[in-house]
Amino acid sequence: DTGVSQNPRHKITKRGQNVTFRCDPISEHNRLYWYRQTLGQGPEFLTYFQNEAQLEKSRLLSDRFSAERPKGSFSTLEIQRTEQGDSAMYLCASSRDIDYEQYFGPGTRLTVT
Amino acid sequence: DQQVKQNSPSLSVQEGRISILNCDYTNSMFDYFLWYKKYPAEGPTFLISISSIKDKNEDGRFTVFLNKSAKHLSLHIVPSQPGDSAVYFCAASDGAQGGSEKLVFGKGTKLTVNP
Repeated sequence: DTGVSQNPRHKITKRGQNVTFRCDPISEHNRLYWYRQTLGQGPEFLTYFQNEAQLEKSRLLSDRFSAERPKGSFSTLEIQRTEQGDSAMYLCASSRDIDYEQYFGPGTRLTVT
Repeated sequence: DQQVKQNSPSLSVQEGRISILNCDYTNSMFDYFLWYKKYPAEGPTFLISISSIKDKNEDGRFTVFLNKSAKHLSLHIVPSQPGDSAVYFCAASDGAQGGSEKLVFGKGTKLTVNP
């Protein structure tokens, strides 16, 4: 399977703990995106990378959130000092920089108790 | 301020009939539009797209129509099948140099196709 993969698929954590998610994009895609989806809403953009460079961050991405894409391959999204409001599905997508179509992974469901 | 709006939260149609899902947008800088399909506990799956320089794009049973003057697009599914039952998201992009940067999504329409 050469699609976008995300790990873990589910994460339950206690408020105040740190969590880290991983995304592996489609191998030939140089752009990688993170989105967040809450119940009843569409995905909301968080940030994106072209190769290893982080080119845009949404105002939704507070100081507690950090994303990296070392070497322009996989990416990690870390949330520090989690809050109950962080509970959501975190989606990763990838694309080539010449294409508009983004291909999504299965997501990581985060529950903060 | 919601830039992409899907005003129908749900739609129910009979198998074999046409499904029409609608989407409106407010940002005139959007130059590319996409439809995604999402099953529960899965990520969105790309379905079909259209550039702002076109008014129609067809792929098998799926056709997307774009009316730029009305800032409106629609997805037609003909004939509808029970396997089409899913949540459909409309998304838009204003990538400045070709290719998408971020997608702006609507809230989705849940389509149910009854056998």
